[in-house]
Amino acid sequence: KNQVEQSPQSLIILEGKNCTLQCNYTVSPFSNLRWYKQDTGRGPVSLTIMTFSENTKSNGRYTATLDADTKQSSLHITASQLSDSASYICVVSRASGGSYIPTFGRGTSLIVHP
Amino acid sequence: EAGVAQSPRYKIIEKRQSVAFWCNPISGHATLYWYQQILGQGPKLLIQFQNNGVVDDSQLPKDRFSAERLKGVDSTLKIQPAKLEDSAVYLCASSLGPSGYNEQFFGPGTRLTVL
Repeated sequence: KNQVEQSPQSLIILEGKNCTLQCNYTVSPFSNLRWYKQDTGRGPVSLTIMTFSENTKSNGRYTATLDADTKQSSLHITASQLSDSASYICVVSRASGGSYIPTFGRGTSLIVHP
Repeated sequence: EAGVAQSPRYKIIEKRQSVAFWCNPISGHATLYWYQQILGQGPKLLIQFQNNGVVDDSQLPKDRFSAERLKGVDSTLKIQPAKLEDSAVYLCASSLGPSGYNEQFFGPGTRLTVL
């Protein structure tokens, strides 16, 4: 069964601290993995996309890693800011009949306190 | 560039009533998605269109949910009749092509409350 599991479910950190969010998946055949940020009351916005051959990709203070062998990904946030408070969703797409089907994780809710 | 438009933004109905949501994707985007997002959970894909054809609707409760994308542009999602458990945010997204390497752009969503 194609599934995406994220941990922790929620996380509270102090402003300026670093944190790492985890994503494990069983989606097959793997096409790509995206991390999205979803602010409260808004639609998700893509942060990074990673393909099978990529191990690390950065977008400002966000760094995503991918281990295709163990089917794990992480999103590291450096020097957190209050505006980082949001839900972070891992999405893994699989190839299917000439198209691509996304499977969403439940998300990690991050709260950054001053 | 205009984003994905959705309407209405909010809807409150009683159970067993019908409701319809509308989505206008970004111009030129061939792929359109409808998601259901229950509070505290990630979005669940209901249906994916490629132009006006259905790519995947395996998680669409077809006994009560229906969707169409006539002419391959805007789309409507209908629930008939609604149940209490349908209370959720319904997100529409679009991308240039299938969700392989093309980023999905999401609309603001329609928050549905079923009483």
